Amino acid sequence: SQQGEEDPQALSIQEGENATMNCSYKTSINNLQWYRQNSGRGLVHLILIRSNEREKHSGRLRVTLDTSKKSSSLLITASRAADTASYFCATEYFQIQGAQKLVFGQGTRLTINP
Amino acid sequence: DGGITQSPKYLFRKEGQNVTLSCEQNLNHDAMYWYRQDPGQGLRLIYYSQIVNDFQKGDIAEGYSVSREKKESFPLTVTSAQKNPTAFYLCASSIDRSTGWTQYFGPGTRLLVL
Repeated sequence: SQQGEEDPQALSIQEGENATMNCSYKTSINNLQWYRQNSGRGLVHLILIRSNEREKHSGRLRVTLDTSKKSSSLLITASRAADTASYFCATEYFQIQGAQKLVFGQGTRLTINP
Repeated sequence: DGGITQSPKYLFRKEGQNVTLSCEQNLNHDAMYWYRQDPGQGLRLIYYSQIVNDFQKGDIAEGYSVSREKKESFPLTVTSAQKNPTAFYLCASSIDRSTGWTQYFGPGTRLLVL
């Protein structure tokens, strides 16, 4: 399977602490994206990092990409209760032809304790 | 308001019954996708469509069917051949490669078997 693997599967921290989630994948990618899903809802796109980028920031989010290790990390700084959600990485693999698609990981369930 | 709508929010299926899940978008996106999500799991791709009147099987297409007669609409039928249909179904759309195929998700339909 080309599906990415996320680590940890679940993470529980205190409000104000930083949360780090990791994603590993198996083959060369065009880009990697992170999405958030609140319980029982659809996914919301957070950030995209392209294969030629190493780090991107968006507000309290910081994403890194190491193509040599085929891995990415998502860091949420100064966590808030509202950050409680599942976080998924999704990869776009290079395909010669045909429709493009994303492959989603299993997700990390993040709980922020007040 | 631009976005993706899915209906119904909850759907109940009897044994041997086909049911259809609706997905409509007014984002003028060419590509649309259907995913299945089981509890605590990631997303698995059922079908996707790049353009009107064309669609491709995803990783778990057996027991499902789709149509793409209009750009705005991508209904999913769960047939009686799908023996374990209980899941959360998510529809998404995306623009094109320039956005890395970033996906916009609907709120989902939860399908339950009676």
